Amino acid sequence: NAGVTQTPKFRILKIGQSMTLQCTQDMNHNYMYWYRQDPGMGLKLIYYSVGAGITDKGEVPNGYNVSRSTTEDFPLRLELAAPSQTSVYFCASSYAPLAPYEQYFGPGTRLTVT
Amino acid sequence: QQPVQSPQAVILREGEDAVINCSSSKALYSVHWYRQKHGEAPVFLMILLKGGEQKGHEKISASFNEKKQQSSLYLTASQLSYSGTYFCGTQRPGNKLTFGGGTRVLVKP
Repeated sequence: NAGVTQTPKFRILKIGQSMTLQCTQDMNHNYMYWYRQDPGMGLKLIYYSVGAGITDKGEVPNGYNVSRSTTEDFPLRLELAAPSQTSVYFCASSYAPLAPYEQYFGPGTRLTVT
Repeated sequence: QQPVQSPQAVILREGEDAVINCSSSKALYSVHWYRQKHGEAPVFLMILLKGGEQKGHEKISASFNEKKQQSSLYLTASQLSYSGTYFCGTQRPGNKLTFGGGTRVLVKP
């Protein structure tokens, strides 16, 4: 199993540009999450999904959109990129939302907006 | 509400012990612990459910004090490989994980 994969690994955007961060998991997990991690800080939940076709906002959803058309894929869309969106973005998945189920994280996408 | 971790950073010599605390002001269902090496993704260490259960991973163990809504992570006889940032994630009944700000651990030879 590849686990959770993310593309691209790195990206530099100009202010106002848009992009999609890709996330795929092959563990047949229903629950998927997008987090952002600013330098030296913890993880903040952007959006999450409880299954194909169902998504909901996390703590910091402004400036982002998501969709979940399949169990495997959970792309994150950035519209009109701003310098405040410079961060490392992690996608994660879990079998269920509550313990004792752990979250598996992808390797992350480092995004710089200039 | 974000849990509070303490200390923010700790420097150890190989073989020394350390304790990392994670506190919440709200009643918790579970506490998760993750470790993140520089430039890498967080990696799961253990989950503790309410009930004061203690868990272990290598020589790393943790406890959950339900009365205090606090979890403690114990690094025993630390190894160089223990260096990294440790995050606790707290979960209230029915809610998603909320992560703390992290504790940076540096183990020196």
